[in-house]
Amino acid sequence: RKEVEQDPGPFNVPEGATVAFNCTYSNSASQSFFWYRQDCRKEPKLLMSVYSSGNEDGRFTAQLNRASQYISLLIRDSKLSDSATYLCVAANTGNQFYFGTGTSLTVIP
Amino acid sequence: NAGVTQTPKFQVLKTGQSMTLQCAQDMNHEYMSWYRQDPGMGLRLIHYSVGAGITDQGEVPNGYNVSRSTTEDFPLRLLSAAPSQTSVYFCASSYAGFNTQYFGPGTRLTVL
Repeated sequence: RKEVEQDPGPFNVPEGATVAFNCTYSNSASQSFFWYRQDCRKEPKLLMSVYSSGNEDGRFTAQLNRASQYISLLIRDSKLSDSATYLCVAANTGNQFYFGTGTSLTVIP
Repeated sequence: NAGVTQTPKFQVLKTGQSMTLQCAQDMNHEYMSWYRQDPGMGLRLIHYSVGAGITDQGEVPNGYNVSRSTTEDFPLRLLSAAPSQTSVYFCASSYAGFNTQYFGPGTRLTVL
């Protein structure tokens, strides 16, 4: 079983739409959680950390549910520039990051 | 700050050849790691280091060696390249093991 699992999509949404991605992790001892964004043929870049109480950064909201071991990302008012692959990450106490395979998002004009 | 740098950007090898992928960071990060990214597989951890002189294996270490003689540098060595090692390789660093990781631009390796 993979440490982190995501729906690969693709998600094709119109501009202005709200879209949500979910991700599950298998190790209940995971300590830290993140969402990264990766543009085509580029390196992953941090989008936001995910905190237990949930957190928001502009149009982006991340939630963590430790009981169910899932992480979510909500993007409101989608922009063309949001088109990318979104990677879910769980880090454990053994200094290892586990990445999901990514969810592809295309925002359509 | 240059952040995390990787060289080369592209490389083609023949089966059996050896080479070293270079990675350097100027952020004084203790933690550094190497990943490979393959279609449908996501990023998989090859080796990581929690500080100079300390390295450990990740999820897919076979066929790769690392060393960490300085805080700044973390080279990845392919001992005898195989076609299965064709991939995109990313180096990353962070202040600590489960803090935000910063990635280099990647090395695209093809093994014929």
